[in-house]
Amino acid sequence: DAGITQSPRHKVTETGTPVTLRCHQTENHRYMYWYRQDPGHGLRLIHYSYGVKDTDKGEVSDGYSVSRSKTEDFLLTLESATSSQTSVYFCAIGETGNYGYTFGSGTRLTVV
Amino acid sequence: AQSVSQHNHHVILSEAASLELGCNYSYGGTVNLFWYVQYPGQHLQLLLKYFSGDPLVKGIKGFEAEFIKSKFSFNLRKPSVQWSDTAEYFCAVNHNDYKLSFGAGTTVTVRA
Repeated sequence: DAGITQSPRHKVTETGTPVTLRCHQTENHRYMYWYRQDPGHGLRLIHYSYGVKDTDKGEVSDGYSVSRSKTEDFLLTLESATSSQTSVYFCAIGETGNYGYTFGSGTRLTVV
Repeated sequence: AQSVSQHNHHVILSEAASLELGCNYSYGGTVNLFWYVQYPGQHLQLLLKYFSGDPLVKGIKGFEAEFIKSKFSFNLRKPSVQWSDTAEYFCAVNHNDYKLSFGAGTTVTVRA
């Protein structure tokens, strides 16, 4: 969708290496979210942010960290990638949950 | 934690057939409800949402959903599906904070 971009779109990495995924928005939304999508699990919240330098954990945060130094950028880092982190990662933005989110195009990450 | 249940994992039907996808949630308070669609290889897009008022909500592409508070349900319907409705459908719930909880998704395959 216009206003939110994720990079990279695809990445293959080796077990044990660090990986950073980027989400960039031009909508000036306060809230940003990282989800992972896996078959049979739908979308599960990893971390979210409610402002610059304000972040909190979601339901599947183990093995992930995030940073938000600017309103427009929300970074997701896998400190030491594992095969269980092979997934499709979606970033979303929104002002409040009441109005739903706008999703990015996703990053397909494969850990080998 | 709030949970969202989608009863059907995979639905296969023919063009012009009617579609109904079930969604139930566990939270008993005030909720906001959403249905998202994900076409093959794409990101999630909002189909429709319910905040308050008329429990029958109409969305894009001819979809509608009915909120039944007593049953904690928000089922999605379409009277006559098309091949282009082949996608994965996600129900999501927000309860007055800024996070959405998603169901596991239902894959809909429409055969021409």
